[in-house]
Amino acid sequence: DTAVSQTPKYLVTQMGNDKSIKCEQNLGHDTMYWYKQDSKKFLKIMFSYNNKELIINETVPNRFSPKSPDKAHLNLHINSLELGDSAVYFCASSRQGAYEQYFGPGTRLTVT
Amino acid sequence: SQELEQSPQSLIVQEGKNLTINCTSSKTLYGLYWYKQKYGEGLIFLMMLQKGGEEKSHEKITAKLDEKKQQSSLHITASQPSHAGIYLCGADGGTASKLTFGTGTRLQVTL
Repeated sequence: DTAVSQTPKYLVTQMGNDKSIKCEQNLGHDTMYWYKQDSKKFLKIMFSYNNKELIINETVPNRFSPKSPDKAHLNLHINSLELGDSAVYFCASSRQGAYEQYFGPGTRLTVT
Repeated sequence: SQELEQSPQSLIVQEGKNLTINCTSSKTLYGLYWYKQKYGEGLIFLMMLQKGGEEKSHEKITAKLDEKKQQSSLHITASQPSHAGIYLCGADGGTASKLTFGTGTRLQVTL
């Protein structure tokens, strides 16, 4: 059983396009996250949602907009994609206030 | 903001050898987490340390948080090919919802 799933796993697109990445967790967790891992493997948090409410929003361009339709889903929409957006994006979830986060397999985004 | 520096950046060891990875924080650690990332996959939680001097073990992996709570080490005994991957330390800075990750250590285990 997949705990945290992301789709798609790979995404290749051109500059200027708009794309979405979906994330679903079946663990019953209240908190979900989006992380970005750059080419140097440096992992950085982007957003965190708790019970569908945004609680962490790091300095991420406005082109990135997370959407949480329900507790089990946190999608990431990116407008006007730029070359620098190329990275692996990870979704994660945890129980509210818990420290252990469960990560999805990642979505490798390549912007050409 | 809190910064975590890991050393070494990469490591190649022969199967059966022991190794240690270090994680040094710019600030006091409230909680220190170790994760492992297999190539092309997501992160897997290994263990969490909170108290100064605390040491935890899982199979052949042992992690320790120093007394001053600014440095942690991860030690692997008798390494195996299955240990290969990227090891990341993470710190919560007092807020469980926000993890800051270290620079990562890439481990390769040769036969």
